[in-house]
Amino acid sequence: DAGVIQSPRHEVTEMGQEVTLRCKPISGHNSLFWYRQTMMRGLELLIYFNNNVPIDDSGMPEDRFSAKMPNASFSTLKIQPSEPRDSAVYFCASSFAGEVTDTQYFGPGTRLTVL
Amino acid sequence: SQQGEEDPQALSIQEGENATMNCSYKTSINNLQWYRQNSGRGLVHLILIRSNEREKHSGRLRVTLDTSKKSSSLLITASRAADTASYFCATLNFGNEKLTFGTGTRLTIIP
Repeated sequence: DAGVIQSPRHEVTEMGQEVTLRCKPISGHNSLFWYRQTMMRGLELLIYFNNNVPIDDSGMPEDRFSAKMPNASFSTLKIQPSEPRDSAVYFCASSFAGEVTDTQYFGPGTRLTVL
Repeated sequence: SQQGEEDPQALSIQEGENATMNCSYKTSINNLQWYRQNSGRGLVHLILIRSNEREKHSGRLRVTLDTSKKSSSLLITASRAADTASYFCATLNFGNEKLTFGTGTRLTIIP
C-alpha cells in the first residue's frame, strides 16, 4: 500500500494568496484527519471526517480555513487568504474507525511557508 | 490545551543505554498511543495500550499505563542511533475518534 499521500510536499506563497493542500488517504480507511504542526503550538487537530462527513472542525483557526472531502479517496485543505502565521507543516492522517486500535497513519506532510 | 504532556522535553543518552519518557494526561481515556516522528517526516505509530491494560511490550519497547495517576511511560531498551527522533503520546477518549497529542520528547542517541 502506498500509504497516505500528500501534495505538494513544499509550498511557498505570498501573503494573500490562496493555498490548497491535498491528501489521499489509505484505501479502505474511513476517517481522515488534518493536523498542523508548529514549534510554538505543537501538533494541533484542525478537522476530521468520518465517511466523508466533517465531524469536528473546532480546531479550524478561522474562516480563512476550509476543508472538503468530496469522496473517500481525496480531501483538500484550503487557506484563503493566506497569512505568514499560517506557516507550518500540515499533516493528513487516516484511520479505519471501528478498529480496536484506532491507529492513525500519517502522510509525509506539506511544509507551507507564507511570505 | 494539550491533553498529554511529555517529560522530559529533551533527552540525550549514549547508544546502548535505555531511554524512558513519561506522559501525563488529564481526562479518562479509551487508550493511549505512542508515536515517533523523525525529523522532517510524518508521525509513525509505535504502540497502543488500552485503559484496562497496565503494561505492553513490542520488541525493544515497553509501555506502562497507570490510570489512577493518569500517566504512561515509554521505555526503549538498548537504544540505537536510529532511535533518534521525537516521541509523542496521544490519548483517545471514549466515544471519540480524536487523538490528542502531547508536546513530545526529543530523544537524541549519541553514538
